[in-house]
Amino acid sequence: TQLLEQSPQFLSIQEGENLTVYCNSSSVFSSLQWYRQEPGEGPVLLVTVVTGGEVKKLKRLTFQFGDARKDSSLHITAAQPGDTGLYLCAGVNSGTYKYIFGTGTRLKVLA
Amino acid sequence: GAGVSQSPSNKVTEKGKDVELRCDPISGHTALYWYRQSLGQGLEFLIYFQGNSAPDKSGLPSDRFSAERTGGSVSTLTIQRTQQEDSAVYLCASSLETAGGYTFGSGTRLTVV
Repeated sequence: TQLLEQSPQFLSIQEGENLTVYCNSSSVFSSLQWYRQEPGEGPVLLVTVVTGGEVKKLKRLTFQFGDARKDSSLHITAAQPGDTGLYLCAGVNSGTYKYIFGTGTRLKVLA
Repeated sequence: GAGVSQSPSNKVTEKGKDVELRCDPISGHTALYWYRQSLGQGLEFLIYFQGNSAPDKSGLPSDRFSAERTGGSVSTLTIQRTQQEDSAVYLCASSLETAGGYTFGSGTRLTVV
């Protein structure tokens, strides 16, 4: 069974600080996605990474896919209260349809 | 529609009752998924539809759970004889292709008392 472990599980930081969230697996994925979920809402897709070593930037968010396509990281620069939410990674293998979701990182940014 | 619509948004039911949860995906999205999210947990896959067919029902927890999709559009997830452990947020997602990014609905929060 493929599993995606995220760390840390919980993170509470002050506005303006930087942080990194990790998503790790012992399995290889053909692509990996990051979602953010706010209370009472469904997850919203932030980014998809497909190439080992790929780096994508979305404003203050930087996403990296590991060279071996087994892990990924999300780095937030100068966090803001609006970044608060549950961050989920999800991996899929080519030829399949079912995304495996990570355990989630709950981020709280204090003003 | 513009997004994935789920109804009801909240449902409180008595143990032993049946419930129906509805999902209206984005128009034209052929793939539809149901996931369950328990408090503090990640997303648990339930079932996947391609068109009206469900090639993978492996995530349904028991035979009390069933789902159907009609007209390649609306899907209904039915839970019979609800139990307290069924309490969770049930999320529906659709995508244009099977490996495309999901668009999720806001979910149905089910509470079994």
